[in-house]
Amino acid sequence: DTAVSQTPKYLVTQMGNDKSIKCEQNLGHDTMYWYKQDSKKFLKIMFSYNNKELIINETVPNRFSPKSPDKAHLNLHINSLELGDSAVYFCASSQEGPRGRTDTQYFGPGTRLTVL
Amino acid sequence: AQRVTQPEKLLSVFKGAPVELKCNYSYSGSPELFWYVQYSRQRLQLLLRHISRESIKGFTADLNKGETSFHLKKPFAQEEDSAMYYCAPLGRNTGGFKTIFGAGTRLFVKA
Repeated sequence: DTAVSQTPKYLVTQMGNDKSIKCEQNLGHDTMYWYKQDSKKFLKIMFSYNNKELIINETVPNRFSPKSPDKAHLNLHINSLELGDSAVYFCASSQEGPRGRTDTQYFGPGTRLTVL
Repeated sequence: AQRVTQPEKLLSVFKGAPVELKCNYSYSGSPELFWYVQYSRQRLQLLLRHISRESIKGFTADLNKGETSFHLKKPFAQEEDSAMYYCAPLGRNTGGFKTIFGAGTRLFVKA
């Protein structure tokens, strides 16, 4: 069974559209993340949720809005898509350990977003 | 500021040669250090972490607190080691614990 899954795997859309990417983990982890990987393979954290609560919100445009309906899901909604949003988006999850320290991260397969 | 540096964007070696992927970090406190790997068309996955002190696929990494380095080494590179490698310290940051990923080093092992 896949531990961290994302849908869709590929997303091609026009500028100005609104789109969502879904992420689900069945590992029982309580922390989930969204990362953006650009064309140079640089990986940057966007958001982190712990038990449905936002704990990390890096400097990303307001057009990006994460939503966590429960601790097994973290979806990413993007409004008014721009060319620069083209990238691979990875979801990940980890388990919170003692004193809030998070553990190894488990990544989804990625969603390749292409904005035309 | 907390920072992680992987100075080499691309490292190309011949099969059987030793390989060392460098990682230096600047972090307050005592971060935990990880190496993640991304093979072609696959998801990122953990390669090793310093507290485990284990060797995975022949790779080892020693944490040098004096030099604040966590270089990844393998004595004899194999073609299947070709991948993108990310050094990732985990430490306390504003908002809780956070992992910062380095820019990554692409390892290319030639036949």
